[in-house]
Amino acid sequence: NAGVTQTPKFRILKIGQSMTLQCTQDMNHNYMYWYRQDPGMGLKLIYYSVGAGITDKGEVPNGYNVSRSTTEDFPLRLELAAPSQTSVYFCASRAARIYEQYFGPGTRLTVT
Amino acid sequence: AQKVTQAQTEISVVEKEDVTLDCVYETRDTTYYLFWYKQPPSGELVFLIRRNSFDEQNEISGRYSWNFQKSTSSFNFTITASQVVDSAVYFCALSEDNNDMRFGAGTRLTVKP
Repeated sequence: NAGVTQTPKFRILKIGQSMTLQCTQDMNHNYMYWYRQDPGMGLKLIYYSVGAGITDKGEVPNGYNVSRSTTEDFPLRLELAAPSQTSVYFCASRAARIYEQYFGPGTRLTVT
Repeated sequence: AQKVTQAQTEISVVEKEDVTLDCVYETRDTTYYLFWYKQPPSGELVFLIRRNSFDEQNEISGRYSWNFQKSTSSFNFTITASQVVDSAVYFCALSEDNNDMRFGAGTRLTVKP
């Protein structure tokens, strides 16, 4: 199993550009999550999904959108990139009734 | 609202010393879950342990041990005989409903040879 994979690993965006961060898991997990980690800080939840077709906002959803059309994929969309979105983005997943989350390697995004 | 405090921003020890990382949490729920994650310099997040609120039994795994005390709302992590490979940022996290995991700010541990 590859676990949770994320692409790209690094990306530089100009202000106002859009992009999609990809996240895929091959563990058949129902639950998937997107977090951001700002320098020297812990992770903050952006969006999560409890299954295909179901998504909900986390602590810091503004400026982002998600969709979940399959169990495996949970892409995160930035529509109008802003410098405040410069961060490392982590995707995670977990199985039902197993409470720990397993994380992807992260995407380092810089908006200039 | 749930909250996790890791008061120690950075800790530096010499190899073979024991070190304890503190974690204090706040929650109004009676059912909750506590976690520790390790983030080595490579940047990935590695799951270490999960504790349920109804299980206060302490746990030992090799050189790692965890002390969960509901009376003081603490979930501390001790590394015995620290090694250079233990150098990392360690995060404590709390989940009340399994979908909103709140992380502490992390403690950066440096183990010097």
